[in-house]
Amino acid sequence: DSGVTQTPKHLITATGQRVTLRCSPRSGDLSVYWYQQSLDQGLQFLIQYYNGEERAKGNILERFSAQQFPDLHSELNLSSLELGDSALYFCASSVGSGEGETQYFGPGTRLLVL
Amino acid sequence: QQQVKQSPQSLIVQKGGIPIINCAYENTAFDYFPWYQQFPGKGPALLIAIRPDVSEKKEGRFTISFNKSAKQFSLHIMDSQPGDSATYFCAASANSGYSTLTFGKGTMLLVSP
Repeated sequence: DSGVTQTPKHLITATGQRVTLRCSPRSGDLSVYWYQQSLDQGLQFLIQYYNGEERAKGNILERFSAQQFPDLHSELNLSSLELGDSALYFCASSVGSGEGETQYFGPGTRLLVL
Repeated sequence: QQQVKQSPQSLIVQKGGIPIINCAYENTAFDYFPWYQQFPGKGPALLIAIRPDVSEKKEGRFTISFNKSAKQFSLHIMDSQPGDSATYFCAASANSGYSTLTFGKGTMLLVSP
């Protein structure tokens, strides 16, 4: 158990809908990362927050947004969902935001868009 | 644009064999190279990591070999066991002060009994 929690574990929704994925980092970790994992693209970095501020942005679509709250939990919002958004979404956390930080991954949220 | 290329996609070895997974990168700013192990239904977990100032690092049965001039690195699993059956990802991050990782596409390893 990495200490990172994600809810829900599974999510089934329809195209055009909006969903929110939630992540609680390990105690003491200030950085939260979001990744999308699909069979064809592998693990793609979406976005990182550090202590409430956006720190780095990866291949995140404009339809997706995230935030980190004062208690350090984070939410990833996915809107106008398309079939291609079906994937595993992972949250990871680390103590800091510098290069070489060990990232601890949560168990993931499996999203299925029908 | 895939910045870290990983091969093979899948690998089957017998128990006791030494599977080797290879990764190549293009970005010369990369200077931290971790390997992650992922079991079905779980998130990836850090296995071992290396920086380019050393050519090899061992932790238990897992060894990373690093070739800076060729921009390649590989994972060797000595005396592989069925419990090592998992997906392995190589990754890299740049010396930019940021901790973001670029992952390879993964190698699904099956160790047969």
